[in-house]
Amino acid sequence: QVQLQESGPGLVKPSQTLSLTCTVSGDSISSGSYYWSWIRQPAGKGLEWIGRIYNSGSTSYNPSLKSRVTILVDTSTNQFSLKLSSVTAADTAVYYCARGEKGYPTSFDYWGPGTLVTVSS
Amino acid sequence: QSVLTQPPSASGTPGQRVTISCSGSSSNIGSNSVYWYQQLPGTAPKLLIYRNDQRPSGVPDRFSGSKSGTSGSLVISGLRSEDEADYYCAAWDDTLSGLFGTGTKVTVL
Repeated sequence: QVQLQESGPGLVKPSQTLSLTCTVSGDSISSGSYYWSWIRQPAGKGLEWIGRIYNSGSTSYNPSLKSRVTILVDTSTNQFSLKLSSVTAADTAVYYCARGEKGYPTSFDYWGPGTLVTVSS
Repeated sequence: QSVLTQPPSASGTPGQRVTISCSGSSSNIGSNSVYWYQQLPGTAPKLLIYRNDQRPSGVPDRFSGSKSGTSGSLVISGLRSEDEADYYCAAWDDTLSGLFGTGTKVTVL
């Protein structure tokens, strides 16, 4: 059974960098069959795609966040990570990691439970 | 940035048919597949429909999807109380970004 689990600080100060890690079990990121994505959801609002990474390290980012986002992959630990710089209160959200089918970039078949990140001083 | 537009709410009594629309453009739904997600309160979204009209294993056949031009639709036939949730469409945009719809809250009366 494929499982994803987000981890990282739940509280980040304004202007600092948000850092989250997604640990994948039950599948190997190295297999190359899937993309690995980050998606977020502010409280009471809709979903926003942040970006994705392939096992090769190739990335795609939401143009509205591109200047602040970095997604990295570590195949040795079967993890991928998200860094979002210069955060503001508008970045407060539940952050999800998800597995996406290669060739069908918005087909997310497995999701982590999500982790709430609050940006506040 | 492109937007996928959904009605904010939809409702019906048990057993009724509910249809949710997802309106996009030529750069997203017009040239890529539509996906649908169900999000129950306090949980992560769940893939409901993929590649316009395909159901993953385990999804009841009362859920169906379709696509026509730059719009997609999700139909819930035979609405049940457990279908009360938020529903989101999604599609890739040719500007190289994933898009989610604005979301529709389904209420079972």
